[in-house]
Amino acid sequence: EDQVTQSPEALRLQEGESSSLNCSYTVSGLRGLFWYRQDPGKGPEFLFTLYSAGEEKEKERLKATLTKKESFLHITAPKPEDSATYLCAVANSGGYQKVTFGIGTKLQVIP
Amino acid sequence: EPEVTQTPSHQVTQMGQEVILRCVPISNHLYFYWYRQILGQKVEFLVSFYNNEISEKSEIFDDQFSVERPDGSNFTLKIRSTKLEDSAMYFCASSGGNNQPQHFGDGTRLSIL
Repeated sequence: EDQVTQSPEALRLQEGESSSLNCSYTVSGLRGLFWYRQDPGKGPEFLFTLYSAGEEKEKERLKATLTKKESFLHITAPKPEDSATYLCAVANSGGYQKVTFGIGTKLQVIP
Repeated sequence: EPEVTQTPSHQVTQMGQEVILRCVPISNHLYFYWYRQILGQKVEFLVSFYNNEISEKSEIFDDQFSVERPDGSNFTLKIRSTKLEDSAMYFCASSGGNNQPQHFGDGTRLSIL
């Protein structure tokens, strides 16, 4: 069974204070690892897909990296508008389209 | 930017009643999904739908649940006889291909009384 563990569960940063969120995964053949952002009362908003170890993707202040066992979401010089819950999810190569989510990291950026 | 839309945003229903949640996926997408999120818990996969049939479903998706694409634009989730434990946020998602990212709507909050 696919498993996704995210840490920390909550993170409080000062504006401009860079940090990283961790996603550890167990999957029987990785088809893709996904990062989403979720604001309160909203659906997950797609950020990145990573397909193979060593791959990196960037978008504004966010950078996602992937190894064979984990992924990191690096946040550089965050702003208050980056406050949200960040979700990691995996799809395995055996299934069709099922995606397994982690519990998320709730990020708060303080001005 | 195209988006997935869901209606209603909040549905309150008596236990034992039937409920239908509606979704309009992104227009050129071919794969459709339903997920649910119980308050404070993970987003959980329910079912995927492709080429007018269910392609995968989870253990949660039992005989109480059904999905349908009644026309070229809508995708629905029906719960036949609701239970208290069905109270959750239900998200619809769609993707353009099997290896493409899934894009989510803002959900329907279902409250069972």
